[in-house]
Amino acid sequence: DAKTTQPNSMESNEEEPVHLPCNHSTISGTDYIHWYRQLPSQGPEYVIHGLTSNVNNRMASLAIAEDRKSSTLILHRATLRDAAVYYCILYNNNDMRFGAGTRLTVKP
Amino acid sequence: GAVVSQHPSRVICKSGTSVKIECRSLDFQATTMFWYRQFPKQSLMLMATSNEGSKATYEQGVEKDKFLINHASLTLSTLTVTSAHPEDSSFYICSARESPLRVNSPLHFGNGTRLTVT
Repeated sequence: DAKTTQPNSMESNEEEPVHLPCNHSTISGTDYIHWYRQLPSQGPEYVIHGLTSNVNNRMASLAIAEDRKSSTLILHRATLRDAAVYYCILYNNNDMRFGAGTRLTVKP
Repeated sequence: GAVVSQHPSRVICKSGTSVKIECRSLDFQATTMFWYRQFPKQSLMLMATSNEGSKATYEQGVEKDKFLINHASLTLSTLTVTSAHPEDSSFYICSARESPLRVNSPLHFGNGTRLTVT
């Protein structure tokens, strides 16, 4: 069973920031928080991951709550190509199960 | 970056036949590969975890005799759907973890195989 909960869908305007939330209240001390996204008819694509500290990369930023029970993926300026389903996953060794994810719609 | 190649991208077969799907890590070695199935408008469902040189671990409800997984090398895992039926029609996706020494290394996914059983 997936150990994360995300809103089913979100909308954003192009060029605006997007904050995608994820709750993981049962996270254990060794679970990493991974984010992937999936465009239509493609396999998922790695976005970012973290353990305790906030993380930045060229695609996005990851803000992790102090108690680690929630996290937020931040797309600083959404583009039309960011429209996808975003999955937040708790990753520990070989356990990699997907929840329902958030379908992000980006409006021009 | 790390690339996972999945082949074929699309296959149509007749009911009762078997179909083999290949998953290759092109520029890294993958001791662990995962196989997923995805129905329209749904999330990915983990079918099995494949470890090189050993038997795959199947998720509850996935028939190991129907979905044969072979991970004979560090760069290749195959999924064979045996005696396929129309209800097996789905989008099958593989993924691979880059290094056994980094337990938290991200997964790299193939582009999926669309299987249609007529």
